[in-house]
Amino acid sequence: EDQVTQSPEALRLQEGESSSLNCSYTVSGLRGLFWYRQDPGKGPEFLFTLYSAGEEKEKERLKATLTKKESFLHITAPKPEDSATYLCAVQQWQTGNQFYFGTGTSLTVIP
Amino acid sequence: DGGITQSPKYLFRKEGQNVTLSCEQNLNHDAMYWYRQDPGQGLRLIYYSQIVNDFQKGDIAEGYSVSREKKESFPLTVTSAQKNPTAFYLCASSTTGEQPQHFGDGTRLSIL
Repeated sequence: EDQVTQSPEALRLQEGESSSLNCSYTVSGLRGLFWYRQDPGKGPEFLFTLYSAGEEKEKERLKATLTKKESFLHITAPKPEDSATYLCAVQQWQTGNQFYFGTGTSLTVIP
Repeated sequence: DGGITQSPKYLFRKEGQNVTLSCEQNLNHDAMYWYRQDPGQGLRLIYYSQIVNDFQKGDIAEGYSVSREKKESFPLTVTSAQKNPTAFYLCASSTTGEQPQHFGDGTRLSIL
């Protein structure tokens, strides 16, 4: 059973058109939820960590939120340079330092 | 600058050959990880190590081997037993606890 599911798989936005990416998780005992950005041919780059429901983090045009079942990555007025694949990962208390990744959302922002 | 260095960036394997992917970190992180990334799939854990001279199998360890003789280094060997090795391999490290992983820029392995 998948522990981390991301949607949509792909998203095309016009520049300036705000939207949200979803990461739903089924793990019990969430230790942390992590958002990464990955550019083609590169390793993932860390964006945010969220630890408890209700928590929010912001960085430039990105804002991450967390509930007990899912996390959203809100992108406000995106620019073409925001085009990338966004990955979500969770860590649970039962498995210590292991991380479980979703399959990612591929975002394309059209000028 | 602190970071994780993976080498080589591209690697080609012949039939029956073992190849080793290098991963070095200077972040003073205790834990290190190897993942495999295939198109349309999430990162899948191959092996991880939380301390020198100790490592655990991940979800897809068959056909792979690792060593952790130094804190800074965690090489991955793709053996001839791995029948479908073509993939993008990512190395990561983290401190213990609820801290994010930091990734290298990957090695792309292909079959000749």
